[in-house]
Amino acid sequence: DMKVTQMPRYLIKRMGENVLLECGQDMSHETMYWYRQDPGLGLQLIYISYDVDSNSEGDIPKGYRVSRKKREHFSLILDSAKTNQTSVYFCASTLRDNQDTQYFGPGTRLLVL
Amino acid sequence: GEKVEQHESTLSVREGDSAVINCTYTDTASSYFPWYKQEAGKSLHFVIDIRSNVDRKQSQRLIVLLDKKAKRFSLHITATQPEDSAIYFCAASMTNTNKVVFGTGTRLQVLP
Repeated sequence: DMKVTQMPRYLIKRMGENVLLECGQDMSHETMYWYRQDPGLGLQLIYISYDVDSNSEGDIPKGYRVSRKKREHFSLILDSAKTNQTSVYFCASTLRDNQDTQYFGPGTRLLVL
Repeated sequence: GEKVEQHESTLSVREGDSAVINCTYTDTASSYFPWYKQEAGKSLHFVIDIRSNVDRKQSQRLIVLLDKKAKRFSLHITATQPEDSAIYFCAASMTNTNKVVFGTGTRLQVLP
């Protein structure tokens, strides 16, 4: 059963706190993505990971960093969260690259107060 | 960089009618065009895709058309049903980057 998981599903943090969002996949997919979804803006790409320790900035990387130490796990870190980082965050994975179907996790709804 | 524009932000159709969602892209190097569906409060899941070596693809009630000359692609949903109500996202990706660029989504409402 092909699956992408995300933890936590809901999170409330205060401005300045650190945030860790975790993503896992059980498909041995090479490439993983972090997006944020805001009303009217669609999905915006934050980071891409091609494999373990091989990460690349997306379109809006400022304020975020990532970590991929195992192929099946991809973490998004917000050091000192800001209120404008309130959003829904989606993780996705593809077998090889962007010419493959993306499998999305259920999303994490983050509120930064 | 690539930009994908999704022309209809909302679309309402009567059950049984067809729905058409249109997207345009800017980069002629784009070669893969997937569509994703997001039901209310849920995540996105893949529905259909088309690659640049063809101009039409059908999967049951879904048809995707690609016009490379006009840099336009469209999703046609025939014989719409209430469960087709959702937000549909088009996307485009190029072989020389690993990015997938999404449109802003079309909220489709199928009315009884």
